[in-house]
Amino acid sequence: DTGVSQDPRHKITKRGQNVTFRCDPISEHNRLYWYRQTLGQGPEFLTYFQNEAQLEKSRLLSDRFSAERPKGSFSTLEIQRTEQGDSAMYLCASSLLPDTEAFFGQGTRLTVV
Amino acid sequence: KNEVEQSPQNLTAQEGEFITINCSYSVGISALHWLQQHPGGGIVSLFMLSSGKKKHGRLIATINIQEKHSSLHITASHPRDSAVYICAVNTPNTGNQFYFGTGTSLTVIP
Repeated sequence: DTGVSQDPRHKITKRGQNVTFRCDPISEHNRLYWYRQTLGQGPEFLTYFQNEAQLEKSRLLSDRFSAERPKGSFSTLEIQRTEQGDSAMYLCASSLLPDTEAFFGQGTRLTVV
Repeated sequence: KNEVEQSPQNLTAQEGEFITINCSYSVGISALHWLQQHPGGGIVSLFMLSSGKKKHGRLIATINIQEKHSSLHITASHPRDSAVYICAVNTPNTGNQFYFGTGTSLTVIP
């Protein structure tokens, strides 16, 4: 499978714990995006990378959230001190260039209890 | 107000019906995407449009740049088409990240 893969698919955590998600984009894709989707809503932009550089962060990305793409390949999204409001589907997408087709992963569903 | 508005929010159709989902946007775009999301959560890209019309099997997508409007049509709908269909746009002045509509939940009844 050469698509975008995300790990884990599901994560249940207790409030206050830290969680980390991983996204492996399609190889050679320069752009990598993170989105968050709550029930019944469309995805909302969190951040994106051009290779290893994080070029933009949404105001939704509070200080408890951090994303990295250290070698310009896979990316991680960490949430510290999780809150119940963090419960959502976290989606990753990648594209070769701006304005080209984006491919999405299956998402990581986070439940904070 | 959302940058991308979709209608209807929910749609139920009988198998075989012709289906139209509409998308209007209020920002300048570099491209518009139609995406399909199944209950498991994964998103599949159906079309990317910057002008005109595209067809893939029973799916047709059109865009009118002047009117800032796009439609997704499904001919001869089938229960396996049941999913959430999301319209999303790339905007050229914000790093080409996506703005998404809230989606149209389609249920096709056999």
